[in-house]
Amino acid sequence: EAQVTQNPRYLITVTGKKLTVTCSQNMNHEYMSWYRQDPGLGLRQIYYSMNVEVTDKGDVPEGYKVSRKEKRNFPLILESPSPNQTSLYFCASSGPRNYGYTFGSGTRLTVV
Amino acid sequence: RKEVEQDPGPFNVPEGATVAFNCTYSNSASQSFFWYRQDCRKEPKLLMSVYSSGNEDGRFTAQLNRASQYISLLIRDSKLSDSATYLCVVNDYKLSFGAGTTVTVRA
Repeated sequence: EAQVTQNPRYLITVTGKKLTVTCSQNMNHEYMSWYRQDPGLGLRQIYYSMNVEVTDKGDVPEGYKVSRKEKRNFPLILESPSPNQTSLYFCASSGPRNYGYTFGSGTRLTVV
Repeated sequence: RKEVEQDPGPFNVPEGATVAFNCTYSNSASQSFFWYRQDCRKEPKLLMSVYSSGNEDGRFTAQLNRASQYISLLIRDSKLSDSATYLCVVNDYKLSFGAGTTVTVRA
């Protein structure tokens, strides 16, 4: 089944404790992206990747890092999480021309 | 001005009713548009693309008005299962999402 897999689904952590949210897709998509979703603000892009070893900042990259060492994986790293990073995070991938994004199931992160 | 703006609703309609709502976008050069559906705190899923000439998919009709820079979604014969948040998406090389319009269909 074609899918984007994110882990974990839920995470509660403390300020400053490094964490990684994993994202993996099995569709051989070149384009992958991370979004955060907050009430009233919609989905905002954090980082995106056009291909292996090619990543770029989205609209809200501060406090996040990503890597794209393999085509299928695109982890999101929070080196020193802060409470304002409490949010619902989605990973997504797409084929050519950004048509038909497939989203992961989401990660609900709470930073206390 | 936000890149993509939507009326948040909620639109509360009875089963069988028709409901329609719009989304405006700021970049006149935008080329492609989509509607996504998102159920409560779940991942968004592609509902339909929006073509220049307008298009239908069953009970759903999408329209594009380039002159006024808005797209619309119309749902006919609403079902309880249509209750969701509908996200307007504009593709300007990267996807820009509206904050969503919430539709609640009541029995």
